[in-house]
Amino acid sequence: GAVVSQHPSRVICKSGTSVKIECRSLDFQATTMFWYRQFPKQSLMLMATSNEGSKATYEQGVEKDKFLINHASLTLSTLTVTSAHPEDSSFYICSASEGTAHTQYFGPGTRLTVL
Amino acid sequence: QKEVEQDPGPLSVPEGAIVSLNCTYSNSAFQYFMWYRQYSRKGPELLMYTYSSGNKEDGRFTAQVDKSSKYISLFIRDSQPSDSATYLCAFDRGSTLGRLYFGRGTQLTVWP
Repeated sequence: GAVVSQHPSRVICKSGTSVKIECRSLDFQATTMFWYRQFPKQSLMLMATSNEGSKATYEQGVEKDKFLINHASLTLSTLTVTSAHPEDSSFYICSASEGTAHTQYFGPGTRLTVL
Repeated sequence: QKEVEQDPGPLSVPEGAIVSLNCTYSNSAFQYFMWYRQYSRKGPELLMYTYSSGNKEDGRFTAQVDKSSKYISLFIRDSQPSDSATYLCAFDRGSTLGRLYFGRGTQLTVWP
């Protein structure tokens, strides 16, 4: 149980385009979903926290207009990287929690490369 | 001072060795203590989860928490090549927000 999927697993795009990443909880209802970014050999950096049906809470330094988060249902959250640039190239990982927020289940991650 | 400190390694041990991984933290508000394992190019998976000081054992893994010293450890007994991964410690203040604070991760290689 407690499986989280992400799609796509890898995406390559041109600079200036937008990319949407989906995060789904497959066998549970996720009251809260989290989006992280991880650079090589670095830890996970929390970007934002989202609860179903409400606006996401962004961490300091994360641009809300650039990283659009939608948590439309209890099983789906999306992260859209708008007008992507090469410096946005990274590993994006989502996690989801149900009820007790102390346990987060992570997706497999999405490798974004912006040319 | 960073809230979480973790030696990034890399750590290389022979198969069968006992591995000790550690993190220190400075935030007294942390109430939940976790260890995640992350294989290359994959998302982290939860290994151990503890709330109080003391030891918690699960198979070959033992998590140890010392709140007075703000120090947590993960021990791996009889290490296997399949244990080769990056191990991240994580902390939670217990608020409803559920924000986790991660260490940098320690890269472990177990060679046969």
